Amino acid sequence: AQTVTQSQPEMSVQEAETVTLSCTYDTSESDYYLFWYKQPPSRQMILVIRQEAYKQQNATENRFSVNFQKAAKSFSLKISDSQLGDAAMYFCAYRSAQSGGSNYKLTFGKGTLLTVNP
Amino acid sequence: ETGVTQTPRHLVMGMTNKKSLKCEQHLGHNAMYWYKQSAKKPLELMFVYSLEERVENNSVPSRFSPECPNSSHLFLHLHTLQPEDSALYLCASSQDPGGWADTQYFGPGTRLTVL
Repeated sequence: AQTVTQSQPEMSVQEAETVTLSCTYDTSESDYYLFWYKQPPSRQMILVIRQEAYKQQNATENRFSVNFQKAAKSFSLKISDSQLGDAAMYFCAYRSAQSGGSNYKLTFGKGTLLTVNP
Repeated sequence: ETGVTQTPRHLVMGMTNKKSLKCEQHLGHNAMYWYKQSAKKPLELMFVYSLEERVENNSVPSRFSPECPNSSHLFLHLHTLQPEDSALYLCASSQDPGGWADTQYFGPGTRLTVL
């Protein structure tokens, strides 16, 4: 079974600075998807960014980018120019791309609580 | 209303009560999900419905009973719950479960407290 590990329960960053959140995963599959979700204090879980494992190019979405290291099974999230609104719990998630089976199932890490200091 | 909505946002119930959680998605998606989010634990997938057919029942106790009358609505019926069932219950929906472009969209959750 796949597992997702977020080794940093909490992180903090100064406004306008850059922060990197870590995520590692364990899988024997070669094809899969990885996601970062953000859950602000209002609790609505929002998709931040996704990465297809077959793509070597790292995904980017405005100030958010990932460092995907397939061999190391690492998927970190970099937030540039941090803003107060970035404060939230961030979850890393894995989904299999294998046809059939439970390939709709997301496996989540325990989350990293990000605080942004003004 | 847009996206995925959930009602109620907060619920307090005794162990002998019967209550229901409601989820509605306004995205035209084909699949809906129930997750349980407990403190300091990863989100746990409870149930999945695809085209109103249950495709996942993740060893959830029978005191949780899901219902999906159509592709836009999902319910979670609760009865004789235990205090350890207190958690945030999240609903999600997606267009093409398992598809390469599939992404789950979440509701705001129902904070359940069982006394």
